[in-house]
Amino acid sequence: QKEVEQDPGPLSVPEGAIVSLNCTYSNSAFQYFMWYRQYSRKGPELLMYTYSSGNKEDGRFTAQVDKSSKYISLFIRDSQPSDSATYLCAVKAAGNKLTFGGGTRVLVKP
Amino acid sequence: DTAVSQTPKYLVTQMGNDKSIKCEQNLGHDTMYWYKQDSKKFLKIMFSYNNKELIINETVPNRFSPKSPDKAHLNLHINSLELGDSAVYFCASSHEGVETQYFGPGTRLLVL
Repeated sequence: QKEVEQDPGPLSVPEGAIVSLNCTYSNSAFQYFMWYRQYSRKGPELLMYTYSSGNKEDGRFTAQVDKSSKYISLFIRDSQPSDSATYLCAVKAAGNKLTFGGGTRVLVKP
Repeated sequence: DTAVSQTPKYLVTQMGNDKSIKCEQNLGHDTMYWYKQDSKKFLKIMFSYNNKELIINETVPNRFSPKSPDKAHLNLHINSLELGDSAVYFCASSHEGVETQYFGPGTRLLVL
């Protein structure tokens, strides 16, 4: 079993819809939770970073962490074609090692 | 003003060759990383250096040897390239103890 599981998609939505992405993880030692966005042929860029359970909002993006269920989510409101990318969740225990999910490919259709 | 840069962007080479990839960051970070992303987009850490000292060394064949001449640079040398080494290699950097990592644009390696 992988440490972080993420549905690979692709997830296709019409412009303006809410995009819902999620990951599950197996190790309760993970304390830090991140979402990265990766456009085709580019490096991942950090979108959201959370430490505790609960919600964190940044513009159209909301990250949710439920440590009791080992479940993390990312919601994108009012999705735009420019949101079409692969979204990678990442988790971290103490130390510097990030463990990534396999990524979910999202396609927002105009 | 590229924060994390890598050279070359593309690398096509024959099996058995030796090649190097270079990474530089101008963010003043003290920790740098090498990741490998396979064809299924799975991103996995290979190495991490903090202040020129190796701190993470995942299960990577010893044909891969990282080298950090200073805090701003982390190079990756690969000996005796194999077909399975074909992937995208990303460099990243961060401050020690800070969770966010910044990634370079990647080096696409194709071994024929």
